[in-house]
Amino acid sequence: RKEVEQDPGPFNVPEGATVAFNCTYSNSASQSFFWYRQDCRKEPKLLMSVYSSGNEDGRFTAQLNRASQYISLLIRDSKLSDSATYLCVVDSGAGSYQLTFGKGTKLSVIP
Amino acid sequence: NAGVTQTPKFQVLKTGQSMTLQCAQDMNHEYMSWYRQDPGMGLRLIHYSVGAGITDQGEVPNGYNVSRSTTEDFPLRLLSAAPSQTSVYFCASSYSATGEAFFGQGTRLTVV
Repeated sequence: RKEVEQDPGPFNVPEGATVAFNCTYSNSASQSFFWYRQDCRKEPKLLMSVYSSGNEDGRFTAQLNRASQYISLLIRDSKLSDSATYLCVVDSGAGSYQLTFGKGTKLSVIP
Repeated sequence: NAGVTQTPKFQVLKTGQSMTLQCAQDMNHEYMSWYRQDPGMGLRLIHYSVGAGITDQGEVPNGYNVSRSTTEDFPLRLLSAAPSQTSVYFCASSYSATGEAFFGQGTRLTVV
């Protein structure tokens, strides 16, 4: 079974802190990588795609290391509104429409 | 912009009953899927479709059927509900095999 592993947390951080989440995946054929955000009792929503060269969107930076099969998400200057569960998501490779979700890492940003 | 619409939002079933969870999208996406989310388990793929008339099984298909007669609709049928099917069900659609998945708001199902 293809796995995506995440630290479940919870991560409790003060406002303004920098926090990093890590994710490892087992399927070396995976081609597409994502971070999704899920608020309590809501549906998951795409936070950002993850590219080999790394990518940044405002306070969020995602990194991919294909050799180590490792994905990371860095959140700088945490806001109360960043409190959510962050899901690492990986495809099954070869253009297959099957996504594997990690169990998620819960973040609570504290005033 | 409706996006992905799931109905009902909440449902209580008795063991052995059958029902259909509805999913409709208005984005003309070819790819659609059904997931269930259980505490501590993450989202698991039940069934998916890459276009009208084409469906395939995901990780946990037992006890569920799907069909895709139109691009817009992808209903999930529970044949004979069991307490193990108590879960939150999410429908999702994508414009490509590796593109962003757009999720419906979920259906919270309890089987007693």
